[in-house]
Amino acid sequence: AQTVTQSQPEMSVQEAETVTLSCTYDTSESNYYLFWYKQPPSRQMILVIRQEAYKQQNATENRFSVNFQKAAKSFSLKISDSQLGDTAMYFCAFMKPGGTNSKLTFGKGITLSVRP
Amino acid sequence: GAVVSQHPSRVICKSGTSVKIECRSLDFQATTMFWYRQFPKQSLMLMATSNEGSKATYEQGVEKDKFLINHASLTLSTLTVTSAHPEDSSFYICSAWDTRGYEQYFGPGTRLTVT
Repeated sequence: AQTVTQSQPEMSVQEAETVTLSCTYDTSESNYYLFWYKQPPSRQMILVIRQEAYKQQNATENRFSVNFQKAAKSFSLKISDSQLGDTAMYFCAFMKPGGTNSKLTFGKGITLSVRP
Repeated sequence: GAVVSQHPSRVICKSGTSVKIECRSLDFQATTMFWYRQFPKQSLMLMATSNEGSKATYEQGVEKDKFLINHASLTLSTLTVTSAHPEDSSFYICSAWDTRGYEQYFGPGTRLTVT
């Protein structure tokens, strides 16, 4: 079974600064997907970024980028130029491909507060 | 991106009654939908996988007779909480697979309060 660990329950960052959220996972699979989801106070889950394990290049989406270290089983999210709207709970998730029944395994999440 | 809706967004019911929550994929067909439960400041806990035209697959520890799931069409899955009790009060979220982009899309969630 896969496990996803987010060891930091809370973080705070000043607006316009950069922050990195940590995530580690454990799996014996060689092919899988990793995700970061954002859940703002509205509680709507929003996909931030996705990384496919077979791709060596780190995924980037505007101000969001990941540092994917496959050997270390580490998948951190870097948020650059933090904005007040980035205040949310962030979840790291793992998925083993298996068609439409593929399940997401979530970490416990981290609450990020962006200070004005 | 694709849109998943949930109805109702909030529901209050009395202990002992049943309540139904709908999850719809609005602009795509979803053969598989997932139901999650989330307590405040906690992660999403997968309750069951809902497949169109077949019985749902429940996660270990989830009472299938209490949480009835029906996936009657390619765009609709329902979760019925039967004989609800205060401990069933929670935030319920559904998601649906959009195989076009190989991505899960989440509904906005339903807050259930059992009094």
